[in-house]
Amino acid sequence: IAGITQAPTSQILAAGRRMTLRCTQDMRHNAMYWYRQDLGLGLRLIHYSNTAGTTGKGEVPDGYSVSRANTDDFPLTLASAVPSQTSVYFCASSDVAGVTEQFFGPGTRLTVL
Amino acid sequence: KQEVTQIPAALSVPEGENLVLNCSFTDSAIYNLQWFRQDPGKGLTSLLLIQSSQREQTSGRLNASLDKSSGRSTLYIAASQPGDSATYLCAVGSNTGKLIFGQGTTLQVKP
Repeated sequence: IAGITQAPTSQILAAGRRMTLRCTQDMRHNAMYWYRQDLGLGLRLIHYSNTAGTTGKGEVPDGYSVSRANTDDFPLTLASAVPSQTSVYFCASSDVAGVTEQFFGPGTRLTVL
Repeated sequence: KQEVTQIPAALSVPEGENLVLNCSFTDSAIYNLQWFRQDPGKGLTSLLLIQSSQREQTSGRLNASLDKSSGRSTLYIAASQPGDSATYLCAVGSNTGKLIFGQGTTLQVKP
């Protein structure tokens, strides 16, 4: 059982480039989330989806977009990367939003130069 | 706006000690509270989830308590081991599933 997989594991990206971080879960969870983790700022929610076909904005959504075409996949896109988006990005899922525990993926370390 | 604070930021104890990690939050209108463990360079591992109607949850050597009225949660670790060394994060949850995280407590258990 893989749980949550994220790709790539790490990436160095030139500023201005477009980048999509991939997240797939095999637990058939309804809700999925994207967080970024920065030293001194902790983990902050970027976007979330409580069920396939719906998405919502978290605490720091600017510069990011998401889609939820099916239950398993929740990609995060940076349309035009900036150095302030250098961070570690975590995808998470839970069976029922607000009720069941969230499970996290291994993360993607992104560096924007 | 909900704010979550964890004190202390770092803690070092000898192996075998019982210890308590603290988490406080400013808005008592929470749906649940979740404790996580994070090892260096790794993702988060869920330890315990406490619903707002519950007072505590236990898993092995871990016991988490929740006092909504005072805006506090504690994670009790019994008989600590070097393998418990990690950063422990608490997060409060809303009805939409959004989690607000504390900054974490980095624990070192010395052999």
